[in-house]
Amino acid sequence: GAVVSQHPSWVICKSGTSVKIECRSLDFQATTMFWYRQFPKQSLMLMATSNEGSKATYEQGVEKDKFLINHASLTLSTLTVTSAHPEDSSFYICSAREGTGDNQPQHFGDGTRLSIL
Amino acid sequence: QQQVKQSPQSLIVQKGGIPIINCAYENTAFDYFPWYQQFPGKGPALLIAIRPDVSEKKEGRFTISFNKSAKQFSLHIMDSQPGDSATYFCAPLLIDRGSTLGRLYFGRGTQLTVWP
Repeated sequence: GAVVSQHPSWVICKSGTSVKIECRSLDFQATTMFWYRQFPKQSLMLMATSNEGSKATYEQGVEKDKFLINHASLTLSTLTVTSAHPEDSSFYICSAREGTGDNQPQHFGDGTRLSIL
Repeated sequence: QQQVKQSPQSLIVQKGGIPIINCAYENTAFDYFPWYQQFPGKGPALLIAIRPDVSEKKEGRFTISFNKSAKQFSLHIMDSQPGDSATYFCAPLLIDRGSTLGRLYFGRGTQLTVWP
């Protein structure tokens, strides 16, 4: 089956540092990848959609300068949380859409738990 | 604007019971109706999905019932097991050609507990 790998799975860092999270599709090419944020016992909130080779599309209320997304290849997208603060602590999950059709399945990574001290 | 309403928020059943989780949606442009299963500390995994041209789909112990006129779809888990204890999300797909293509709209989730 289609596998999406997310790294790291857990990161703790000091306030003010920047953190990069990688999302890789291991056995398929993903033109489109999605980044979500999930707080405890809540639903997934879409942060942005990234298309390979172009700028990401951010959801309303998500700071693009705070959450930098790069989708440089068909198998890798990265999310960088810049100058992270405690309120950025959350569970970040990526998904990758298999194929190019709009209604193709999305496969999710296992998430990255980010804790900012 | 909440486009998807999922209920109940939590559900407790005994082993062998048949939990039913419901999802109601507003936008008739939704084109694909999946259910995702999420275990603690993991990402969601696609469980089962249905397209709007059929009313029911069954895969193993999981069944989706789809009512297009009522704009509702539900997940039924037959012969539930303790290993089914997880959070379930409905997440209909909207193909929005004006902006973000092929976006999932997640419901708020249902925490299912199956007692042995």
